[in-house]
Amino acid sequence: KQEVTQIPAALSVPEGENLVLNCSFTDSAIYNLQWFRQDPGKGLTSLLLIQSSQREQTSGRLNASLDKSSGRSTLYIAASQPGDSATYLCAVKVNAGNMLTFGGGTRLMVKP
Amino acid sequence: NAGVTQTPKFQVLKTGQSMTLQCAQDMNHEYMSWYRQDPGMGLRLIHYSVGAGITDQGEVPNGYNVSRSTTEDFPLRLLSAAPSQTSVYFCASSKTVNEQFFGPGTRLTVL
Repeated sequence: KQEVTQIPAALSVPEGENLVLNCSFTDSAIYNLQWFRQDPGKGLTSLLLIQSSQREQTSGRLNASLDKSSGRSTLYIAASQPGDSATYLCAVKVNAGNMLTFGGGTRLMVKP
Repeated sequence: NAGVTQTPKFQVLKTGQSMTLQCAQDMNHEYMSWYRQDPGMGLRLIHYSVGAGITDQGEVPNGYNVSRSTTEDFPLRLLSAAPSQTSVYFCASSKTVNEQFFGPGTRLTVL
């Protein structure tokens, strides 16, 4: 059974710092990996999708990498801002159905 | 496009009552699914559909029914609500195996 782990569970950084969020998964046979942002009491906003054949994806200050063989993905946030404060979730798709397996999330706080 | 919409936003039920959570998308996505989010448990898949007329069970399907009569709609039915079904429910849709888009969620409390 696929298991997804995110470390750390919580992170507090000063504004302007570059930071890395980690996601690991136990089964490397994945279709894709997706990073989401969730604000308190809100739904999930898709940030980046990496297909299994890709190594990384970039959007603005965000860069996500994927190393399938080691079962790891990282989300790099450059020049963090207070508006980046949220919970970040990674999820892997393991088959052609619609099932995503989620990690527990990293709760990020960026202090002004 | 409105994207993925869910109604209601909040609902309180008594044990044993039934209700339907509504989900609709206007992106012509084939795939739709329902997740529940619980503290300490993360998001877990309840049911999913890969097209009109086709549904399948996810990780935690007990106590829930779904149907997919149209591409746009994917309602989730609670047959006899239990306190263990207190949760936040999210509907999601995607074009085949690509990026999934989530609705704003329904916060359900069962007393």
